[in-house]
Amino acid sequence: DQQVKQNSPSLSVQEGRISILNCDYTNSMFDYFLWYKKYPAEGPTFLISISSIKDKNEDGRFTVFLNKSAKHLSLHIVPSQPGDSAVYFCAASAGQFYFGTGTSLTVIP
Amino acid sequence: DVKVTQSSRYLVKRTGEKVFLECVQDMDHENMFWYRQDPGLGLRLIYFSYDVKMKEKGDIPEGYSVSREKKERFSLILESASTNQTSMYLCASKTGVTRTYNEQFFGPGTRLTVL
Repeated sequence: DQQVKQNSPSLSVQEGRISILNCDYTNSMFDYFLWYKKYPAEGPTFLISISSIKDKNEDGRFTVFLNKSAKHLSLHIVPSQPGDSAVYFCAASAGQFYFGTGTSLTVIP
Repeated sequence: DVKVTQSSRYLVKRTGEKVFLECVQDMDHENMFWYRQDPGLGLRLIYFSYDVKMKEKGDIPEGYSVSREKKERFSLILESASTNQTSMYLCASKTGVTRTYNEQFFGPGTRLTVL
């Protein structure tokens, strides 16, 4: 049973616009959430994280929002750049990490 | 920077062969992990290790075993490879005890094809 879900397999956005990637989880014990970025033929690289005591964390163009009551996590990328085109995985942890199925983001120049 | 290396980027094996996938990390991390990535299924945890000679089953350990004889090296073993084990295999490492709030660092992956 998938405890972390990314319901959008793909997303296309124009360069300069905002990209919003969404993630839902089912386990209320998760207390740490992460986003990873993956290029083809490479391993995932860590992007940004948030603990459950916060509802927002920002790092440059990347912001992660956490809505615990809705068990929902989102990643905002502003402004989107062509180099952001990759597969994005969200992950949640209560010790062991659980990953979503990924969303493939394409930023169109 | 943390570096996690995997012995092969691409591997082709035949059904029934014994397969070894090696992973080495250079940052003295206590925790190491093996995942497989399949389309539509994301990353699924096969096994992990939080110390030398220690191992724990993940979500899909069937058909796999692991070995951690040294802190920096974590091996995944397919005792008798089957076609349903064709996948991308990713190794990761992480510092601290399991509950510490920090990220995993991934290797580049091994694309295994079993014919």
